[in-house]
Amino acid sequence: DAGVIQSPRHEVTEMGQEVTLRCKPISGHNSLFWYRQTMMRGLELLIYFNNNVPIDDSGMPEDRFSAKMPNASFSTLKIQPSEPRDSAVYFCASRRDASYNEQFFGPGTRLTVL
Amino acid sequence: KQEVTQIPAALSVPEGENLVLNCSFTDSAIYNLQWFRQDPGKGLTSLLLIQSSQREQTSGRLNASLDKSSGRSTLYIAASQPGDSATYLCAVRPQDYGQNFVFGPGTRLSVLP
Repeated sequence: DAGVIQSPRHEVTEMGQEVTLRCKPISGHNSLFWYRQTMMRGLELLIYFNNNVPIDDSGMPEDRFSAKMPNASFSTLKIQPSEPRDSAVYFCASRRDASYNEQFFGPGTRLTVL
Repeated sequence: KQEVTQIPAALSVPEGENLVLNCSFTDSAIYNLQWFRQDPGKGLTSLLLIQSSQREQTSGRLNASLDKSSGRSTLYIAASQPGDSATYLCAVRPQDYGQNFVFGPGTRLSVLP
């Protein structure tokens, strides 16, 4: 199993540009999570999908952020327009189902907004 | 609202020592607790998952305990090695279905050769 796959691994962009982060969860997992990690705030849950449906998006900071999961094997997190304070490492994680299973994390995307 | 803290924030020990990392959470109503390891610039690797009905889990040199009533978990690392150097995070899953994992800030461990 390849684990959770994220792309790109690094992204450098200028303020105002659109940024799209991608995630492929572990095959057979039906829960997917997007997290953001910064030095100041630690690891924060942004949004959580179960069976491709957004269940909890209360962590999404503002309307500039949006996430989709068009099918069980792909999800995107989009920031439009991006701002320097969005610079962080964004992690995707998946879990087998909504019960008590452990989460598995991808390697993360390091985003720098200049 | 569930809050998770970890003490100490950083720890430096000589190789071979046994050590304990601490995790505290404010609300004992949890489904489970998970310990992760994060290497610099990398993602999180799952180490151990303890269900709320369990008292401890073991994997190799790692042992994690859970005292739900007091809101505490410890991660015990036996015979530490330089390769154990990383940041260790604990995360709890509250029973409130609307919430998923709440993470602690982590303990940065350095094991000196």
